[in-house]
Amino acid sequence: DSGVTQTPKHLITATGQRVTLRCSPRSGDLSVYWYQQSLDQGLQFLIQYYNGEERAKGNILERFSAQQFPDLHSELNLSSLELGDSALYFCASSSSRTGDEKLFFGSGTQLSVL
Amino acid sequence: DQQVKQNSPSLSVQEGRISILNCDYTNSMFDYFLWYKKYPAEGPTFLISISSIKDKNEDGRFTVFLNKSAKHLSLHIVPSQPGDSAVYFCAASEHGNQFYFGTGTSLTVIP
Repeated sequence: DSGVTQTPKHLITATGQRVTLRCSPRSGDLSVYWYQQSLDQGLQFLIQYYNGEERAKGNILERFSAQQFPDLHSELNLSSLELGDSALYFCASSSSRTGDEKLFFGSGTQLSVL
Repeated sequence: DQQVKQNSPSLSVQEGRISILNCDYTNSMFDYFLWYKKYPAEGPTFLISISSIKDKNEDGRFTVFLNKSAKHLSLHIVPSQPGDSAVYFCAASEHGNQFYFGTGTSLTVIP
């Protein structure tokens, strides 16, 4: 158990809809990262938050947004969903601001857009 | 643009033999490299890391080698065990900023 909790584990929705994925980091970790894993793709970095503030942005679509709350949990919002958004979404946390420590991953949220 | 590449999607090895997983990267500014292991229905878990100031790091049965001139790193598992069967991801970062992951290599260790 990595200590990182992601909910829900599975999500099935329709095109055009909006969903929210939730992540609770390990106790004490201030950094939260979001990654997307599509079929035959590696883990694509989406965005990182550190102590409530956006720290780094990767290949995140404008239809996607995220935030980190004062209690350090994070949410990833996906809107106007398309079939291609179907993927496994991972959240990871670390205690480091710069990510030079290892990341601890949650077990992921499997999103299916039908 | 895939800055970290794992060109072998899968690898099968006999139990007790050596497993060698390879990873190439394109960004010469990467200075921190990690390997993660992933079982089905679980998130990736950290395995071993190496800083660019070193060319080798060992942790038990796992050794990571870094060849900066070739922009290549490899993970050696000796001896391989059936429990090592998983997907292995390599990752790289520049000064600890966002991590770039490869597409993974699925290792099967045959008893």
